[in-house]
Amino acid sequence: AQTVTQSQPEMSVQEAETVTLSCTYDTSESDYYLFWYKQPPSRQMILVIRQEAYKQQNATENRFSVNFQKAAKSFSLKISDSQLGDAAMYFCGDAMKGGSEKLVFGKGTKLTVNP
Amino acid sequence: DSGVTQTPKHLITATGQRVTLRCSPRSGDLSVYWYQQSLDQGLQFLIQYYNGEERAKGNILERFSAQQFPDLHSELNLSSLELGDSALYFCASSFNPPGSSGNTIYFGEGSWLTVV
Repeated sequence: AQTVTQSQPEMSVQEAETVTLSCTYDTSESDYYLFWYKQPPSRQMILVIRQEAYKQQNATENRFSVNFQKAAKSFSLKISDSQLGDAAMYFCGDAMKGGSEKLVFGKGTKLTVNP
Repeated sequence: DSGVTQTPKHLITATGQRVTLRCSPRSGDLSVYWYQQSLDQGLQFLIQYYNGEERAKGNILERFSAQQFPDLHSELNLSSLELGDSALYFCASSFNPPGSSGNTIYFGEGSWLTVV
């Protein structure tokens, strides 16, 4: 079974500061990948970053990076130099590889960026 | 623009009715996924199709059904609608050959369904 847990329903950060959003997952599969999606008030789902489980190196996309701890099944998202446009719901998810690749999400973390 | 097209964008219907939501995946994508997001809730996986065949099923009600057609577009049928079915329904797509790596799942803008 796949379960994803985001333990922080809400987080806030000052503009230009750094914030880390937590995520843990529980999959029995050996081959999978992990995602963070952003959902702004428009409700559009926007891919922020992805991580292949077989890669030890943490993924980075500009101001967004992850801390992937495979043994601990932890996949946190760090946002550096936070901007007002980063305010959104953030969903962590995992997807098994293979013919069935359903992406299962956590319940989300609402991020507020204070000016 | 993700390239995934969903219609209609908004729909209001009465309890007991039936509606069909349509999704056109990105060009070249073979997999289609459907998700339901109720107000202030996370995304619930409903069902996945790959190249016309059902590949994975989530918490999809028996009143709901879906299919993927030969041209790869998909439809989600919701029947005997209840107030609790009001939600944002997302379609997503990916290229997804079996066993592939590097897949990314792209979401459409969603179809807002309001049941009154």
